[in-house]
Amino acid sequence: NAGVTQTPKFQVLKTGQSMTLQCAQDMNHEYMSWYRQDPGMGLRLIHYSVGAGITDQGEVPNGYNVSRSTTEDFPLRLLSAAPSQTSVYFCASSSDFYNEQFFGPGTRLTVL
Amino acid sequence: AQSVTQLGSHVSVSEGALVLLRCNYSSSVPPYLFWYVQYPNQGLQLLLKYTSAATLVKGINGFEAEFKKSETSFHLTKPSAHMSDAAEYFCAGGGSQGNLIFGKGTKLSVKP
Repeated sequence: NAGVTQTPKFQVLKTGQSMTLQCAQDMNHEYMSWYRQDPGMGLRLIHYSVGAGITDQGEVPNGYNVSRSTTEDFPLRLLSAAPSQTSVYFCASSSDFYNEQFFGPGTRLTVL
Repeated sequence: AQSVTQLGSHVSVSEGALVLLRCNYSSSVPPYLFWYVQYPNQGLQLLLKYTSAATLVKGINGFEAEFKKSETSFHLTKPSAHMSDAAEYFCAGGGSQGNLIFGKGTKLSVKP
């Protein structure tokens, strides 16, 4: 049982490049979400999903896309990277709306 | 608006001293409250959660928190700090989107 996995651990992009951050969970959780963590800001919700085929925007969705074709996977796409997207990104999953969320190890992204 | 506020971005205690990390939430936050801990370069790990079963909640590593509705507080305590407790601690509450609303975090330093 690997829990929540994220790849890559580190990534450096140039402004304007695109990329996909991968997230997978093996706990059969319906609820998955993406957060970004910036110093002094805590974690802020980017997008979330309550099940396969269902996604919605969080607090800071601009510049990011998501899709949820399976229960296990919830990739986050950066369409055209900007320096403001330099951050640490965490994926999380939980069994239901108000239960404990399990976090992945994070992806540290730098946009030059 | 829903919010979770952590008082003090940095707290320093001596080894063996009481640890008190403060968290207040807005009354619009549903009463599902969590404390997470983040060690350097790692993801978030659940310390404890409140889900209305009892107002005093015990967590891992000797931490506990008390839910006080009248004060809209959920402060985290530990009677005796260890060097290994040095980390960043996040208070979080359930949001209306099924996400977690995080405080900005408190970095705990433990002096020998």
